[in-house]
Amino acid sequence: DQQVKQNSPSLSVQEGRISILNCDYTNSMFDYFLWYKKYPAEGPTFLISISSIKDKNEDGRFTVFLNKSAKHLSLHIVPSQPGDSAVYFCAASGGYQKVTFGIGTKLQVIP
Amino acid sequence: DSGVTQTPKHLITATGQRVTLRCSPRSGDLSVYWYQQSLDQGLQFLIQYYNGEERAKGNILERFSAQQFPDLHSELNLSSLELGDSALYFCASSVGTGGPYNEQFFGPGTRLTVL
Repeated sequence: DQQVKQNSPSLSVQEGRISILNCDYTNSMFDYFLWYKKYPAEGPTFLISISSIKDKNEDGRFTVFLNKSAKHLSLHIVPSQPGDSAVYFCAASGGYQKVTFGIGTKLQVIP
Repeated sequence: DSGVTQTPKHLITATGQRVTLRCSPRSGDLSVYWYQQSLDQGLQFLIQYYNGEERAKGNILERFSAQQFPDLHSELNLSSLELGDSALYFCASSVGTGGPYNEQFFGPGTRLTVL
């Protein structure tokens, strides 16, 4: 039972354009959401998070939007850079539940 | 560099064998987590230790076990290995007890290949 779903396995975007990565969740108990970035041969690194009391959180070029009624969140990267090419994992947790990860979306930013 | 170290980087072994993966958390972190990432799968949570005690258990097989030692390093033991156990195994650490707001810092992973 996949409680965190990333339905797009891959995404290609031109440098300078916006990248939008999507994530859906099913567990209503989730109230904290995170995005991790992973380069080949490295472990995932934390990128940005959002609490369910907010609907938007911004950090530089990265913005995460949360739509609680739709149980959907998205990560926007503007402008996209070649160094952003990586696998992006969406993750969610709630209360003291373990963090649950999606399967990841591979982003390729084309110079 | 996250500050989390994992050894070995690569491990190739045969079915039926037993292996031990090692993780050293960031200095000061008391929680250690183990994850498995198989092909086309997300990060599957296996188990968490906090200050030497098991804190949470995920989808960990009975053939797998883990422990955290007094110096806070952790070991994941995988026995009676099967082909399907081939995966990347990540260790992560965090400062606190592992509540939802504790950012986890991941090691580079151990790639296990079972032939």
